[in-house]
Amino acid sequence: DIQMTQSPSTLSASVGDRVSITCRASQNISAWLAWYQQKPGKAPKLLIYRASFLESGVPSRFSGSGSGTEFTLTISSLQPDDLATYYCQQYNSYWTFGQGTKVEIK
Amino acid sequence: QVQLVQSGSELKMPGASVKVSCRASGYDFTTYAMNWLRQAPGQGLECLGYINTNTGRPTFAQGFTGRFVFSMDTSVSTAYLQISSLKAEDTAIYYCATRDLRKPWGQGTLVTVSS
Repeated sequence: DIQMTQSPSTLSASVGDRVSITCRASQNISAWLAWYQQKPGKAPKLLIYRASFLESGVPSRFSGSGSGTEFTLTISSLQPDDLATYYCQQYNSYWTFGQGTKVEIK
Repeated sequence: QVQLVQSGSELKMPGASVKVSCRASGYDFTTYAMNWLRQAPGQGLECLGYINTNTGRPTFAQGFTGRFVFSMDTSVSTAYLQISSLKAEDTAIYYCATRDLRKPWGQGTLVTVSS
């Protein structure tokens, strides 16, 4: 199985800050990586697919980069609505997820 | 629009069985495999596996063989997850999601296993 290691587990930042979350795959997954946002009591919502493609309707402050084994989700200017837990997911072979990053607003 | 609508919450005794449904609408059900996932309280996401909605063939992730059954009824565009011999550690929200990442997930079904 492909393991996904996500960091940090918790991130606290101020409104307007630029924040980044990193995800590392245990083997090469090319660009078969997605990022999700999950708010309490809700199903995960797709933000980014194929490592860097922004899903329709997602604010442009979200961006994704990387390929192979190293990936990054960046929020260019953190907003109060971004309070959530973020997960990376590989879909190169079955589906596996990172452990999640809880984003808190200072 | 595309929707996956899951059945309601379940409270079960240890050792019992549960069957969760996921009804698809807004697209051809047989086009995309259906994944089943779970999220234990306060924990992350795990994929249990998926069912090929064209052939009905299930594929299970490691650790999810034996007690877990995937099935479907194409006449009503519905996929099913059945779990037998329930244990307390099966308490979780169970989600369905198509292999097309760009389609929304089901809303989740809370399964609580408690005596």
